[in-house]
Amino acid sequence: DGGITQSPKYLFRKEGQNVTLSCEQNLNHDAMYWYRQDPGQGLRLIYYSQIVNDFQKGDIAEGYSVSREKKESFPLTVTSAQKNPTAFYLCASSPRDRATGELFFGEGSRLTVL
Amino acid sequence: AQSVTQPDIHITVSEGASLELRCNYSYGATPYLFWYVQSPGQGLQLLLKYFSGDTLVQGIKGFEAEFKRSQSSFNLRKPSVHWSDAAEYFCAVDLPNTGTASKLTFGTGTRLQVTL
Repeated sequence: DGGITQSPKYLFRKEGQNVTLSCEQNLNHDAMYWYRQDPGQGLRLIYYSQIVNDFQKGDIAEGYSVSREKKESFPLTVTSAQKNPTAFYLCASSPRDRATGELFFGEGSRLTVL
Repeated sequence: AQSVTQPDIHITVSEGASLELRCNYSYGATPYLFWYVQSPGQGLQLLLKYFSGDTLVQGIKGFEAEFKRSQSSFNLRKPSVHWSDAAEYFCAVDLPNTGTASKLTFGTGTRLQVTL
């Protein structure tokens, strides 16, 4: 089945460690996104990529990094510079044709920094 | 500043009762409008969307939404709620003509509880 796979689903790390969250899609979508979700704050855009080898900062990019070496993959690294990394992270993708307007989401990764 | 507002943080309805979830936006132009639903610990699923045309749009699971330009609103409705509708609902907007990526801005969400 086509979809978006995020891993791991749960992740615990010590403060000061970098963490990489995986996101893979087999929908042949051009655009991919990372959102952060905190209780009572909705979803906030971290980074997005419209095409391979290109990505743009979203609203809360500080302390995060991404790469887009393959169309199918858009990993997110939460660096030690992120001051409050504990959150639920959602990856999404969308086709080139924005007329559809739909983002397809993965099931998320919950990161807890101890 | 541009924004999306969902004024109700938490709503409780009885099964079989009607439902209306509110969404207001503040943008210079009419944006694309969406409603998504999220079950606990899961990703988001699109319920419906509005780009243009008929201001009453039908979605999945029996939901509908009405775009009211004069009120800058896009409220979600369902005539009869089922217990399985308990979830968190997000209104989202996207501005047209901003490239190929859909950079949605989400509201803070409304958590729906359904009592039997």
